[in-house]
Order: sequence, then C-alpha cells, then structure tokens
Amino acid sequence: KAGVTQTPRYLIKTRGQQVTLSCSPISGHRSVSWYQQTPGQGLQFLFEYFSETQRNKGNFPGRFSGRQFSNSRSEMNVSTLELGDSALYLCASSPGQGASYNEQFFGPGTRLTVL
Amino acid sequence: DAKTTQPNSMESNEEEPVHLPCNHSTISGTDYIHWYRQLPSQGPEYVIHGLTSNVNNRMASLAIAEDRKSSTLILHRATLRDAAVYYCILRDVADSSYKLIFGSGTRLLVRP
Repeated sequence: KAGVTQTPRYLIKTRGQQVTLSCSPISGHRSVSWYQQTPGQGLQFLFEYFSETQRNKGNFPGRFSGRQFSNSRSEMNVSTLELGDSALYLCASSPGQGASYNEQFFGPGTRLTVL
Repeated sequence: DAKTTQPNSMESNEEEPVHLPCNHSTISGTDYIHWYRQLPSQGPEYVIHGLTSNVNNRMASLAIAEDRKSSTLILHRATLRDAAVYYCILRDVADSSYKLIFGSGTRLLVRP
C-alpha cells in the first residue's frame, strides 16, 4: 500500500498571501488529521476530518481551515500568512472507525516558509 | 487532556537496551498509552500502545506500571536508526477523534 502523500513538499510564500496544502491518505483510510510542527511549539494538532466532516479542531485562529473530499483526500488552507506560520505541516491518516487506539500514519510533511 | 512528562534527552550505545521512561500521574482509566517516534526529517511513526498489560511488538516493548502512573518504552537492542525523538502520548478511548497531543518528547542519541 502506498503511504500518506503530501504535496507540495516545500513552499515559499510571502506575508499576506494564502496557501493550500494537499494530503492523500492511505487507501481505505477515512480520517485525516493535520498537525503543525515548529521548533518553539513542537507538534500541535490543527484539525481532523472524517467522512468530509470536521470532527475535532485544535486551538488555531480561523485563518487555518481545511476540508475533506469524498475520496478522503484533504486540503488545508492558511490565509493572510504571517511569519509565524513558517512550519512543517504534517498530515496523518487512520481508518477512522473502531477503537481509538488505531495508529495514525504520518506523511513526510510540507515545509512552509513565509518571508 | 492528561499530560505526560519525559526526560529531554537520553543516550545509549549501539546494540544495548534502552529504557525510555514516561510519567503520567493524572492518567484516567480510559486512557491508552501510545508511543510514537520521529526520525530526522520524517513524520512521526507509531511504535506501540497499551492500556494495562505489558505489550510487545517487533519494534519495542511497553512496560506499564501497576498503578498506570508511569510506563517505559524498551528498545531491546538500539541501532543507529533508532536515533529519534520519542513521544509518549495518552489517548482517551472515549474520544472518537484521532487527535494526538504531543509533548516535547525524549531525544534519543545512539552512539556507535
């Protein structure tokens, strides 16, 4: 099975712009979660989607949004970029149902640099 | 969310066992203990999880204290590839979402 894929792998934007990141989960997985990783704050949960519905949301401003399509692929969008949004954005997929101990499979991440 | 406490860093020699501790004194009865690790320049990867009993898989063993207030991840023979940041995470079985709360983790250095 192919793993979780994220595109693009690297991205450079300037302040005020917006950006869209894409995540393709493992085939058959219906849950997609997004995380932000920075040196200062570590790994922080952004949101999780299951069957096209946001099931949980972390403590991030409304500039961060996401969606999930019927094929389980997910996108996250950051509007009005700030310097502090520079980070590694990680996507993880899971089957989405059953006991909550199901492991999550992470992609390699998208490295976003905001200038 | 219940919190975990881990040492910032640990060192080990190659081919020796490594015991990575985690304290979770506020753990609830429905919290599973998960371990993930993040190799350099990669996303985190699942290592192991458990509830009450000790667990073994091909990667590691998880030893859980009888009162569940602490646990230890055991790598039986460390290799250079095991150098990573190891995260101990609690997940409530009642939580239907797949939200993981990462702490700062333990950075494991493996000496050749």
